[in-house]
Amino acid sequence: AQSVTQLGSHVSVSEGALVLLRCNYSSSVPPYLFWYVQYPNQGLQLLLKYTTGATLVKGINGFEAEFKKSETSFHLTKPSAHMSDAAEYFCAVSRAAGNKLTFGGGTRVLVKP
Amino acid sequence: DTAVSQTPKYLVTQMGNDKSIKCEQNLGHDTMYWYKQDSKKFLKIMFSYNNKELIINETVPNRFSPKSPDKAHLNLHINSLELGDSAVYFCASSQGASGGGEQFFGPGTRLTVL
Repeated sequence: AQSVTQLGSHVSVSEGALVLLRCNYSSSVPPYLFWYVQYPNQGLQLLLKYTTGATLVKGINGFEAEFKKSETSFHLTKPSAHMSDAAEYFCAVSRAAGNKLTFGGGTRVLVKP
Repeated sequence: DTAVSQTPKYLVTQMGNDKSIKCEQNLGHDTMYWYKQDSKKFLKIMFSYNNKELIINETVPNRFSPKSPDKAHLNLHINSLELGDSAVYFCASSQGASGGGEQFFGPGTRLTVL
């Protein structure tokens, strides 16, 4: 069975500071990894994904994540936080395309002016 | 153009009632899903359909019955609603085995059972 752990249910950052959201996964097969963002009262929007190939993946809104197989991690970063980054962020894993997503518990990001 | 749409957006009903949520995608995807997000924001798969065929039923009570009339639609019918069914229900779609794995989500239906 697959599982995802997101360290920290809440993260508070100052505007302009680094955003770092941690995600660790367990999977018996090479995983597909995703980060989604959820703004209040909205659906989930894909930020970025890793399937195969380059382990550093860039996504929308200046976010990037690095797949580290040895650490079973897929941490999300953004060099400089913007007020509009305040949202809930979810890390997810699947076994393959067309398979269900297994989500982490989510991390709420608060951006202070 | 909305890629994945759900109706209604909000649903308030009494315990014991039966209700349906509809989902449509115009992305040409062949796989559709229902996820449940509880009050603590935890997201969990409920069902998955591929080309109108059920492929995942994640130990959901049989009061929940999905139905896919065609591969662009996946509806969710809930019988005898209970307080614990209150949640946000998300429909999603993906290209299936030939795609890149990402799923596209609808805006959600917030179900409140009184």
